[in-house]
Amino acid sequence: QSVLTQPPSASGTPGQRVTISCSGRSTNIGSNTVNWYQQLPGTAPKLLIYTNNQRPSGVPDRFSGSKSGTSASLAISGLQSEDEADYYCSTWDDSLNGPVVFGGGTKLTVL
Amino acid sequence: QVQLQESGPGLVKSSETLSLTCTVSGGSISTYYWSWIRQAPGKGLEWIAYIYDSGSTNYNPSLKSRVTISVDTSKKQFSLKLSSVTAADTAVYYCARGVGGYYDSSGFSYYYYMDVWGKGTTVTVSS
Repeated sequence: QSVLTQPPSASGTPGQRVTISCSGRSTNIGSNTVNWYQQLPGTAPKLLIYTNNQRPSGVPDRFSGSKSGTSASLAISGLQSEDEADYYCSTWDDSLNGPVVFGGGTKLTVL
Repeated sequence: QVQLQESGPGLVKSSETLSLTCTVSGGSISTYYWSWIRQAPGKGLEWIAYIYDSGSTNYNPSLKSRVTISVDTSKKQFSLKLSSVTAADTAVYYCARGVGGYYDSSGFSYYYYMDVWGKGTTVTVSS
């Protein structure tokens, strides 16, 4: 049981816009910033979005993040086949669960 | 650019201690948090622990009693020891560089993210 809640799966067709949600509590997302990691099959996770909505150098602007209250979202526009991966949200948690917590991950399938 | 490389035994016997080392190359080990994260087969990511270059540490409460993390700044390495392992500790173990601090002037909002990851090393616990 992960501290942050993500849908286990999501899907879309090429060119579509897809969003992945991440739900938490006041002690984690409600208080601190959210990050997103992309894990392509058979590879290590890669930082995709940090501090809610910032993209590291090299990450396409098709990827965007947002946060409101105790929830966060990752949006992918202009979906491409190479976006098929697992996506994890993560944040700092001020409670006894923390300090670093992840969501259970969302497997994105490009149809 | 900064690269991380995990090393250590790929097979550990049940009840023994798992020991891994992460070597940092291409950058400084100072002023960063250095983390271990693991991923059991077919499962999600689980953060294990971090150590700051000063030596201050923080652990996942669920693993705290069995985990020790340490750093050797002269060798640009940090290490993980996980004692009394069982089959549930079989996983890919990743090391990562962390960046963190207070997000705003309120002092109540914190940011922490891991921007550089190693490729991971598979550890299997055998009976």
